[in-house]
Amino acid sequence: EAEVAQSPRYKITEKSQAVAFWCDPISGHATLYWYRQILGQGPELLVQFQDESVVDDSQLPKDRFSAERLKGVDSTLKIQPAELGDSAMYLCASSLAANNSPLHFGNGTRLTVT
Amino acid sequence: GESVGLHLPTLSVQEGDNSIINCAYSNSASDYFIWYKQESGKGPQFIIDIRSNMDKRQGQRVTVLLNKTVKHLSLQIAATQPGDSAVYFCAEAQGAQKLVFGQGTRLTINP
Repeated sequence: EAEVAQSPRYKITEKSQAVAFWCDPISGHATLYWYRQILGQGPELLVQFQDESVVDDSQLPKDRFSAERLKGVDSTLKIQPAELGDSAMYLCASSLAANNSPLHFGNGTRLTVT
Repeated sequence: GESVGLHLPTLSVQEGDNSIINCAYSNSASDYFIWYKQESGKGPQFIIDIRSNMDKRQGQRVTVLLNKTVKHLSLQIAATQPGDSAVYFCAEAQGAQKLVFGQGTRLTINP
């Protein structure tokens, strides 16, 4: 079964440093999502792409977070500078369509900011 | 419902028993609902979905019930197995709007 690939699996960084996460969605999935999950809570959407275009980044802290999906396939999420409160699991998901279609998640990147 | 904190509701059942996990959702206009299973250190795994024009849908050992009158969703797991131990999340969406996750429930299967 096709999977959403994410790397790295774990990342430890010091505050004020830059960090980047990569995601390769399931082939053919036009919609890609980045979610953040704090321990003990459900995932919360950061940004949603339809092909290469951002369709929802209302919850993305744009002063420090950026996301891109230049060719409409894989995507990168960047944080600069990282803060202690950014420690969380960063999950990428993809879906065949933007509505009424299940999201398929990768196994995430666990970020620890020290 | 939205995630509200660090303390997950928990449910413990005996292996082989049936389990029911409940979820209250917040948006009466939501028309699509999903249940996810999340094991430790992994991403959420799709279990089953249901659209608002249905009130029941069955999968393999799982059944989702939707009560739109009281905005309630439930997941029934039949004949639970040790591998069913995980955190279960419900999620809702309205049209093409973002999927909103509820507070998870930790299911523990006792041998």
